[in-house]
Amino acid sequence: EAAVTQSPRNKVAVTGGKVTLSCNQTNNHNNMYWYRQDTGHGLRLIHYSYGAGSTEKGDIPDGYKASRPSQENFSLILELATPSQTSVYFCASGDPGNNNQAPLFGEGTRLSVL
Amino acid sequence: GQQVQQSPASLVLQEGENAELQCNFSTSLNSMQWFYQRPGGSLVSLFYNPSGTKHSGRLTSTTVIKERRSSLHISSSQTTDSGTYLCALSNTGYQNFYFGKGTSLTVIP
Repeated sequence: EAAVTQSPRNKVAVTGGKVTLSCNQTNNHNNMYWYRQDTGHGLRLIHYSYGAGSTEKGDIPDGYKASRPSQENFSLILELATPSQTSVYFCASGDPGNNNQAPLFGEGTRLSVL
Repeated sequence: GQQVQQSPASLVLQEGENAELQCNFSTSLNSMQWFYQRPGGSLVSLFYNPSGTKHSGRLTSTTVIKERRSSLHISSSQTTDSGTYLCALSNTGYQNFYFGKGTSLTVIP
């Protein structure tokens, strides 16, 4: 069964600390995405990837890095976490060759930066 | 600027009433999706509908490209329809979607 799994599901971090959010997909999709969701803003694209070894900047990349070491895994890295990065983060995977199929989303990671 | 605008921002219905959710976009589109999000939950695709009208059970989606709008109609609403409805469009072939802020729907018994 197709799936996107995020870990951790909840995270509390301190300002200035390093945070890594992980995402694993079993869909064999080339594309993977990281979004954040905030009240009043909807979902906004942070980084995305076309395949292993590739990372691209989305609409709000500042303060975030991404890593795609394999087809299955895509990480979002906050080197110096700030309270403004408190949010819910969603990972998704998709097949760009098939617009009939929507990207599949993970369950989300709720991050609080204190 | 904002590429995708949804209205209304929130909606409260009595069970059995119909709902019409709107999505307007300011750019050309390659792909249009409607998603449903349960409170605190993930997103689930409802429709891929870049043009025309599509039906799925009590849901109907209509996209009119030249008017740059898409709508989602929910008939005979049920309490289990409560949640947030999001429209998203992509103007490239890479599925980099731009999301609206969503419509929060509450259906009361």
